Amino acid sequence: AQTVTQSQPEMSVQEAETVTLSCTYDTSESDYYLFWYKQPPSRQMILVIRQEAYKQQNATENRFSVNFQKAAKSFSLKISDSQLGDAAMYFCAYRSRSTGTASKLTFGTGTRLQVTL
Amino acid sequence: GAVVSQHPSRVICKSGTSVKIECRSLDFQATTMFWYRQFPKKSLMLMATSNEGSKATYEQGVEKDKFLINHASLTLSTLTVTSAHPEDSSFYICSARDPSRTSGEQFFGPGTRLTVL
Repeated sequence: AQTVTQSQPEMSVQEAETVTLSCTYDTSESDYYLFWYKQPPSRQMILVIRQEAYKQQNATENRFSVNFQKAAKSFSLKISDSQLGDAAMYFCAYRSRSTGTASKLTFGTGTRLQVTL
Repeated sequence: GAVVSQHPSRVICKSGTSVKIECRSLDFQATTMFWYRQFPKKSLMLMATSNEGSKATYEQGVEKDKFLINHASLTLSTLTVTSAHPEDSSFYICSARDPSRTSGEQFFGPGTRLTVL
């Protein structure tokens, strides 16, 4: 079974600064997806960024980028120019590329990000 | 696109009653939907995978007779908490996969807060 580990329960960053959230995972598969989801106080889960394992290029979405190290099974999220609205719980998630029940997401335990003035 | 709604957003019920939560994909057809439970400040715990036209697949430890799932159409899945007790109080979230997309992500509903008195 796949597991996802987020070793940082809480992180803090000053507004306009950069912060990196860590995520490692364990799998025996070679083809899969990795995601970062954001859950603000409203508790609506929002997709931040996705990475397909067969793509070597790191995904970027505006101020959000990832450092995907497939061999090390590491998938960290970098938030640049942090804004107050970035304060939220961030979940790293893994999904097999297979269909059927394997399409379920496996979540990490989450990292709570605080953004200070 | 890819909007998922949940109803109700909040529900308070008496112990022993049953509560139904609806999850709808508004602009796509979802052959597969997922039901999660989230305790305060914790990660999402997958309860079951709901497949249109067939029986749901429950995760280990989830009582299928207590948490009834019906996925009768390509846009609607329901979760019924039967004979609810205070320990069933939680935040329930559904998600859906859009099979027409190859991006692999799940789209989440806004969640339902259940309080059992």
